[in-house]
Amino acid sequence: DQQVKQNSPSLSVQEGRISILNCDYTNSMFDYFLWYKKYPAEGPTFLISISSIKDKNEDGRFTVFLNKSAKHLSLHIVPSQPGDSAVYFCAAASNTGNQFYFGTGTSLTVIP
Amino acid sequence: NAGVMQNPRHLVRRRGQEARLRCSPMKGHSHVYWYRQLPEEGLKFMVYLQKENIIDESGMPKERFSAEFPKEGPSILRIQQVVRGDSAAYFCASSPHPGDTQYFGPGTRLTVL
Repeated sequence: DQQVKQNSPSLSVQEGRISILNCDYTNSMFDYFLWYKKYPAEGPTFLISISSIKDKNEDGRFTVFLNKSAKHLSLHIVPSQPGDSAVYFCAAASNTGNQFYFGTGTSLTVIP
Repeated sequence: NAGVMQNPRHLVRRRGQEARLRCSPMKGHSHVYWYRQLPEEGLKFMVYLQKENIIDESGMPKERFSAEFPKEGPSILRIQQVVRGDSAAYFCASSPHPGDTQYFGPGTRLTVL
């Protein structure tokens, strides 16, 4: 039962353009959401998070948007850079649970 | 400023052998989480431990798998009598408090021949 879904396994974007990665979730108890970035043969690296009391959080080139009614969040990267090429995982958690639920990842390729 | 450390980075075992994976959390973190990533899949939660206690093992297979986080030393994920289906990347994460952002180690890639 996949509670967090990333329906796009891959995405290619031109350098300098905006990258938009999407994530959907099914559990309405989730109240904390995160994005992780993962390079091959490395562990996931925390990128940005958002709690359910907000609908937007921005950190430099990275912005996460949360639409609670649609149970949808997205990560915007602008401008995209070749070094952003990696697999991006969306994760969600509830304050009553102990684990993060991860999506299956979206592989982003930024073309120079 | 050491992050989460895992060793070994790569581990090869034959079917029926035991695998021991070690994880040292970030300094000041007393909460450890183990995840497994199978090929073409996301990370799946296995177990959550605090010092000397297993808090949540709902993602752990009932047989052959065990985990501990002793008062001194790293957390250990132990897989007995490994089978080919155990081949995966095993990631450990730690956090200072439950529910906080989890920071991941580089993972141990287990290959069962």
